[in-house]
Amino acid sequence: EAQVTQNPRYLITVTGKKLTVTCSQNMNHEYMSWYRQDPGLGLRQIYYSMNVEVTDKGDVPEGYKVSRKEKRNFPLILESPSPNQTSLYFCASSLWLSSGGAEGDEQFFGPGTRLTVL
Amino acid sequence: AQSVTQLGSHVSVSEGALVLLRCNYSSSVPPYLFWYVQYPNQGLQLLLKYTTGATLVKGINGFEAEFKKSETSFHLTKPSAHMSDAAEYFCAVSFSGNTPLVFGKGTRLSVIA
Repeated sequence: EAQVTQNPRYLITVTGKKLTVTCSQNMNHEYMSWYRQDPGLGLRQIYYSMNVEVTDKGDVPEGYKVSRKEKRNFPLILESPSPNQTSLYFCASSLWLSSGGAEGDEQFFGPGTRLTVL
Repeated sequence: AQSVTQLGSHVSVSEGALVLLRCNYSSSVPPYLFWYVQYPNQGLQLLLKYTTGATLVKGINGFEAEFKKSETSFHLTKPSAHMSDAAEYFCAVSFSGNTPLVFGKGTRLSVIA
């Protein structure tokens, strides 16, 4: 089954304790992205990656790191989490970013990771 | 700056009534347009998209949307609401072929029996 998986689905942690949220897709997609969803703010992009070893900042990258060493995986790293990073996080992937009418337009989303930082 | 505006953070309709969720964007160049739906405790899934061609786009679950360039709008409609349509709906826009999607802030749809 084609899918984007995220782990963990729920995480409660404390300020300053490093954590990693994993994201993996089995569709051979080049493009992957991380979003955070907060009430009243919609989805805001954190980082994205056009391909292996190519990453770029989104709208709200501060406090986050990513890496793309393999095509299928795109982990999100919080080196020193703070309470303002409490949020619902989504990973997404697509064939390619260009939206020229091809099948690669659609982004497939993972089920989300609900993170609470105390 | 390029932006996406969804009018109304919460829309409530009666079962069987028309659903209309509004989306406007700011761009001088026709963008690529998407509607996503998020059911409770789930990720987002694509409802429909407009890239080129016919401006009236049909999606899943009876939804459709019309791209109106002159109004810079891409409103989502469904003739008759069903209880299962209760969810959050996001309009998203790609302003050019190599830029990330920009999402609206979402509209929560409630359906009243």
